[in-house]
Amino acid sequence: DTAVSQTPKYLVTQMGNDKSIKCEQNLGHDTMYWYKQDSKKFLKIMFSYNNKELIINETVPNRFSPKSPDKAHLNLHINSLELGDSAVYFCASSHFPGGSYNSPLHFGNGTRLTVT
Amino acid sequence: QQQVKQSPQSLIVQKGGISIINCAYENTAFDYFPWYQQFPGKGPALLIAIRPDVSEKKEGRFTISFNKSAKQFSLHIMDSQPGDSATYFCAAKFGGTSYGKLTFGQGTILTVHP
Repeated sequence: DTAVSQTPKYLVTQMGNDKSIKCEQNLGHDTMYWYKQDSKKFLKIMFSYNNKELIINETVPNRFSPKSPDKAHLNLHINSLELGDSAVYFCASSHFPGGSYNSPLHFGNGTRLTVT
Repeated sequence: QQQVKQSPQSLIVQKGGISIINCAYENTAFDYFPWYQQFPGKGPALLIAIRPDVSEKKEGRFTISFNKSAKQFSLHIMDSQPGDSATYFCAAKFGGTSYGKLTFGQGTILTVHP
C-alpha cells in the first residue's frame, strides 16, 4: 500500500495553462505539505496544512493555490503556468507540523512538471 | 536564521569507504535533525534522525554525530556500498512559532564506486 500517493507522476503542459496535482495519504496523519524541488535538487516548502487549516504559506506566487478537502487529501492548483514553474513537486505528511523524532515526514514520489 | 548549510555538494567514495556529509545551522531553536535519502525518481525517505540532547545516534552503518556547541551535525556512512548511491539531505525543524517547519539543506549527491 502506498502511504503518500500523488497524481499524475508526470505533467507536461504549455505556458499559460492551468493544472492540478492531487495527493492522498493513508497514514492517518493530521499535517500535509507541498514541497518544490528545483533542478539543483533543493527542497523548499511551499504550503502546509494541519487538520485542513493552512498553517504555512511560504513566499509562493498566488497562482499556486492549495486545497485540503479533508485531512487525507491535499491538492495543488496552478494557474497561468510559467516556464519557471518546471520542477518536481512533492507531497508529504506527518502527525505533527514539521515532523518529530517519532513522527517523521513521509513523502510521495513526486510529480515532475514540465512547462514548455 | 532558518537556513541549514550542507556540504559537500557531491561526494565520490569507493566501495567499503566512509562517506561523511556535514551540515551547519545558525538557529539554536531547531529541535529535531533528520537525514533523508532520495533515490532517482523517488521521494525523500527518512534515514536517521537525532534530537539536540544526544551527541550521537547510530543505526547500522549510518551514524549521526551532533555537536551542539558548534551548531553542526554530520552523517557518517560506514562501509559504503554502491546501493548507498543517492542524494542525501540534512534537515532541521524550527521548534518556535513557525509551526514546526522542516528546512532542508542543499543536498549531497553520493556516488559509491564498486
